Amino acid sequence: DTAVSQTPKYLVTQMGNDKSIKCEQNLGHDTMYWYKQDSKKFLKIMFSYNNKELIINETVPNRFSPKSPDKAHLNLHINSLELGDSAVYFCASSHSGAQIYNEQFFGPGTRLTVL
Amino acid sequence: GESVGLHLPTLSVQEGDNSIINCAYSNSASDYFIWYKQESGKGPQFIIDIRSNMDKRQGQRVTVLLNKTVKHLSLQIAATQPGDSAVYFCAESTTGANSKLTFGKGITLSVRP
Repeated sequence: DTAVSQTPKYLVTQMGNDKSIKCEQNLGHDTMYWYKQDSKKFLKIMFSYNNKELIINETVPNRFSPKSPDKAHLNLHINSLELGDSAVYFCASSHSGAQIYNEQFFGPGTRLTVL
Repeated sequence: GESVGLHLPTLSVQEGDNSIINCAYSNSASDYFIWYKQESGKGPQFIIDIRSNMDKRQGQRVTVLLNKTVKHLSLQIAATQPGDSAVYFCAESTTGANSKLTFGKGITLSVRP
């Protein structure tokens, strides 16, 4: 019955590699997000997609490329991984719209460690 | 209970006491606020929300207070339990399409038995 799921939960890789994290939600939401949480627990939005369309793109290196094949999935691909990319990445989803309050539901996170 | 501003990252309380976690938000246009709880190794979990047309909202053992004049939000937890130990985040948002949540710094709540 997992509402927002992510794979993998842990990812350890070498600098310079390319990796992907997958996210799926079964809540029927139309908007999905990627967040990065650093070692100080600061949680910052990276991207947001609404019905497969990119609507929020914060200042993120273009090595990060989100892809949304359908509104239930939002994957994150990272090229040429750097040490500073080590963090926990959270996927989230919500309804959206002019009169909608933005309660977001989060996945369990993917801990990325770049060696 | 004790209260702490966001510049103090840890709040330690005795089991059974009340906890008060404070948050200062930045955007005067924000009209929706959420408190999230994040347990170790898990994603943030919704606790309670409040809209800007309210100044108080109560849930089960939790109360959120909103003071728009000074842009301040607080979370009160009654009879704090060991299971309340976690990192707590406040988040603010505007409503409407393309709105986004902006999270405050987390505060660790540690409950002493």
